[in-house]
Amino acid sequence: KQEVTQIPAALSVPEGENLVLNCSFTDSAIYNLQWFRQDPGKGLTSLLLIQSSQREQTSGRLNASLDKSSGRSTLYIAASQPGDSATYLCAVFSSGYALNFGKGTSLLVTP
Amino acid sequence: NAGVTQTPKFRVLKTGQSMTLLCAQDMNHEYMYWYRQDPGMGLRLIHYSVGEGTTAKGEVPDGYNVSRLKKQNFLLGLESAAPSQTSVYFCASSPLLSGQTEAFFGQGTRLTVV
Repeated sequence: KQEVTQIPAALSVPEGENLVLNCSFTDSAIYNLQWFRQDPGKGLTSLLLIQSSQREQTSGRLNASLDKSSGRSTLYIAASQPGDSATYLCAVFSSGYALNFGKGTSLLVTP
Repeated sequence: NAGVTQTPKFRVLKTGQSMTLLCAQDMNHEYMYWYRQDPGMGLRLIHYSVGEGTTAKGEVPDGYNVSRLKKQNFLLGLESAAPSQTSVYFCASSPLLSGQTEAFFGQGTRLTVV
């Protein structure tokens, strides 16, 4: 069974800092990995999708990397802003037809 | 551009009552999923469907039933609600099982069973 772990569980940083969120998974046979953002009381918004053949994806201030062989992904957020405060979820799409989620990293960016 | 729509958004049930949660997607996706999200547990898969007329059990299927009579709709039923089913329920859909697959989520249904 695919297990997905996210570290840290919570993170508080001052505005302007660059930060890294970590995700690890136990089974490297994945189709892709997806990073989501979830605001309190809201649904999940897809941020980045990395296919298993890719090493990284970028969208604006976000950069996600994937090292499938070691079972790791990182989400890099540059020049963080208070509006980045949310929970970030990592999910892998592997055998079994569904996404396996980590428990998320709760990010607070203080002004 | 509706995407994935869940109905209702909030509901309070008494123990033993039944209800159906509706998920509708307008993207012609083959795959649809129901997840529940609980504090400290993350999102867990309840049931899923790989196409019209198909359903399969996920990680936590007990106490729930599903149906996919039409490709665009995926229904989640609770026959006899229990307090342990208090949760936030999310529906999702995706086009294909491949490296291109991107999952799209609804806004969630917050269910309280008293």
